[in-house]
Amino acid sequence: EPEVTQTPSHQVTQMGQEVILRCVPISNHLYFYWYRQILGQKVEFLVSFYNNEISEKSEIFDDQFSVERPDGSNFTLKIRSTKLEDSAMYFCASKSGTGNTEAFFGQGTRLTVV
Amino acid sequence: AQSVTQLGSHVSVSEGALVLLRCNYSSSVPPYLFWYVQYPNQGLQLLLKYTTGATLVKGINGFEAEFKKSETSFHLTKPSAHMSDAAEYFCAVSESAADSWGKLQFGAGTQVVVTP
Repeated sequence: EPEVTQTPSHQVTQMGQEVILRCVPISNHLYFYWYRQILGQKVEFLVSFYNNEISEKSEIFDDQFSVERPDGSNFTLKIRSTKLEDSAMYFCASKSGTGNTEAFFGQGTRLTVV
Repeated sequence: AQSVTQLGSHVSVSEGALVLLRCNYSSSVPPYLFWYVQYPNQGLQLLLKYTTGATLVKGINGFEAEFKKSETSFHLTKPSAHMSDAAEYFCAVSESAADSWGKLQFGAGTQVVVTP
């Protein structure tokens, strides 16, 4: 069964460092998303990506965040200068279409900023 | 704008008892509604969804949910809880508008504990 894979499963980084979270979406999917879940809080939308550009982003997704799909398979989330409050579980998701189609989620990357 | 409210952050049910998880939503356009389950150390897995048509939808693992527009609700039920149902459950809403990019707005989640 096709699945979304995320690496690494756990990343520890020092405050101020750059991190890149990696995702391999399902191969025939066209819409890609990042969500995050701070411990004890709800899952929050960060950004959606379609046709090699950001289609929508939340207020959380400020200038320190960026996404790209460098090689047609990977979908990455970069945090330029990490802050303590960036510690969270980050989920990648992909869909074959918008609206009523199912979003398939990866297992998540737990980011800990120390 | 959309939002989702899940009543009860923790629910404890006995094995074999009814599971009822409550979800209310608000949406300025007709919504698409979803229930996801998250088992420990795993990602989010779709249980079921409502898009159009029949308001009672059946999902995996014996779960079902009913869309009630008048009550803006999408409660999740399962007649008989199993130990394997212990997990966190998330209700989510997505816009049905043609120019929507399909983002999901999640509720805060309900942790289900099943006791023998």
